[in-house]
Amino acid sequence: AQSVTQLDSQVPVFEEAPVELRCNYSSSVSVYLFWYVQYPNQGLQLLLKYLSGSTLVKSINGFEAEFNKSQTSFHLRKPSVHISDTAEYFCAVSEAWKAGGTSYGKLTFGQGTILTVHP
Amino acid sequence: NAGVTQTPKFRILKIGQSMTLQCTQDMNHNYMYWYRQDPGMGLKLIYYSVGAGITDKGEVPNGYNVSRSTTEDFPLRLELAAPSQTSVYFCASSDTPGTPNTEAFFGQGTRLTVV
Repeated sequence: AQSVTQLDSQVPVFEEAPVELRCNYSSSVSVYLFWYVQYPNQGLQLLLKYLSGSTLVKSINGFEAEFNKSQTSFHLRKPSVHISDTAEYFCAVSEAWKAGGTSYGKLTFGQGTILTVHP
Repeated sequence: NAGVTQTPKFRILKIGQSMTLQCTQDMNHNYMYWYRQDPGMGLKLIYYSVGAGITDKGEVPNGYNVSRSTTEDFPLRLELAAPSQTSVYFCASSDTPGTPNTEAFFGQGTRLTVV
């Protein structure tokens, strides 16, 4: 069964420090991988995604994530965080498969990691 | 392009009352989802739909019902509100999972309090 595990529920860091938010997934088929961000009192919005090609993907605000198929991981990193990065981050996996000629699909989210950046 | 629109944004219900959370999307997505989010618990899938007329239960369906009569709309019904249903509810839509355009788009949420 498909599952997504975010290994840290909370990550406190100081401003300008590097950060890594960890995400592991289990799936028996090819997957697409996503990181979403939720700022306080807002809905979720896409941060970055891996569909195919280069295993390193980047967002416009300095985050990057690397797809590691052998370790089934998709960790999110930023070399220097800002106060404004304080938010909850969700890893998600999308997979599709066929059975008996019928296509199925599923989108699964991790439990979230609260990143708190302190001055 | 409105994306995913949820109404209402806030609601207070008394125990035993019923209500419908509305969700509509204008992206012609096949898949739609309802999640609830409780502090420290992440997102829990309540129900999802893979197309008009087709719905299925998620992790926490008890106390809720859904329908999908059109591609655009996916309302969530609470029949007998209970304090345990106090939560923030998010509706989302996506193209078919496993296809390149499978990014999920979320509404702004409905904050529901049952007293």
